[in-house]
Amino acid sequence: GDSVTQMEGPVTLSEEAFLTINCTYTATGYPSLFWYVQYPGEGLQLLLKATKADDKGSNKGFEATYRKETTSFHLEKGSVQVSDSAVYFCAASGSGNTGKLIFGQGTTLQVKP
Amino acid sequence: DAGVTQSPTHLIKTRGQQVTLRCSPKSGHDTVSWYQQALGQGPQFIFQYYEEEERQRGNFPDRFSGHQFPNYSSELNVNALLLGDSALYLCASSFGDREDTFGSGTRLTVV
Repeated sequence: GDSVTQMEGPVTLSEEAFLTINCTYTATGYPSLFWYVQYPGEGLQLLLKATKADDKGSNKGFEATYRKETTSFHLEKGSVQVSDSAVYFCAASGSGNTGKLIFGQGTTLQVKP
Repeated sequence: DAGVTQSPTHLIKTRGQQVTLRCSPKSGHDTVSWYQQALGQGPQFIFQYYEEEERQRGNFPDRFSGHQFPNYSSELNVNALLLGDSALYLCASSFGDREDTFGSGTRLTVV
């Protein structure tokens, strides 16, 4: 079945460090791919998305490129801030793009001043 | 413009009881999906409602049921609660092929 796998956390970085969170997916066809962020005590917020191969999603300094050949959608940011501390979820749309989202297990990011 | 609103925010129930969670979608959205997020895990899809019908369902037992009303709001019902049903329940709404907007969730604790 369809699945999404993220790198295990937690990830601890110093402010202004470079961030990479790996995400790979297994799906039938060509799903849309998403990164969501969850701050403590809150729901999920869409961070960025890509709907087809080679698309790059970007928002707030975060970027991710849809790589069909490696079935990956790694999240990157060049210089993290303390305010980026949160849990990050990679997700893929289910088969047939019916709206069902399949999430990875989440990666906790802690940024220290 | 209010986003997705869920009620209640927190809830404590006893094993074997029944619970109803409520969701009001974002204005203009007509599709509602429900997810269960266990502690430390990613959200798991429960089901999706569109035009008052269950359109798609995840791998959850029949104890989980739902409803969508003509105003697009939705309820999630869970019968015969188990300790393992303790989780954050997230509602998401959408319109057409646009991405989901999530609510802040209802934290259910079963004791």
